[in-house]
Amino acid sequence: DTAVSQTPKYLVTQMGNDKSIKCEQNLGHDTMYWYKQDSKKFLKIMFSYNNKELIINETVPNRFSPKSPDKAHLNLHINSLELGDSAVYFCASSLLGVTYTDTQYFGPGTRLTVL
Amino acid sequence: DQQVKQNSPSLSVQEGRISILNCDYTNSMFDYFLWYKKYPAEGPTFLISISSIKDKNEDGRFTVFLNKSAKHLSLHIVPSQPGDSAVYFCAASASGAAGNKLTFGGGTRVLVKP
Repeated sequence: DTAVSQTPKYLVTQMGNDKSIKCEQNLGHDTMYWYKQDSKKFLKIMFSYNNKELIINETVPNRFSPKSPDKAHLNLHINSLELGDSAVYFCASSLLGVTYTDTQYFGPGTRLTVL
Repeated sequence: DQQVKQNSPSLSVQEGRISILNCDYTNSMFDYFLWYKKYPAEGPTFLISISSIKDKNEDGRFTVFLNKSAKHLSLHIVPSQPGDSAVYFCAASASGAAGNKLTFGGGTRVLVKP
């Protein structure tokens, strides 16, 4: 009965490969997000989707493409992986997401290691 | 350019004493501030928040203070318990920004010693 779940939890892959991380929330929330936690431990937003519509798109290489098949799922696809993509990726969701006070609920994270 | 900064990477405190975590921000557009707590191998969990129209918000053992003129906020945990040992992230958002974008600080690791 996990609220926000991510798969896989760990992902180790070679440079140049393409990989996907999946996120699902069972909270009935309208908005989902992807954050990246880099080696300096800063959490930085990458994307947000509200009811399958892209709302936030930070300065992220276009090798990263989010896909939202429905409002309960937001997957992150990464093409041509680079060493610098190694990080922990967190998915989050919030009830409405269009108001700045809406609490965000985070998944457990996916640790991506690019060799 | 880090708009939210937590200058103390770690803090050690005795059980039962007060933990004080500090956070500074530079963007004057920020008007809503949050603290998240994170255990290892888990995602951040929401702890407490404060709007810029207030200078204090309290929830049980946790109190957040906001000093807008200094662009500074702090989180007080009283009394500290061993279960409070975690990394605490300060975050901020702006009502004028599109969507619900949170800007996080780098975190402060708190260790509460029994």
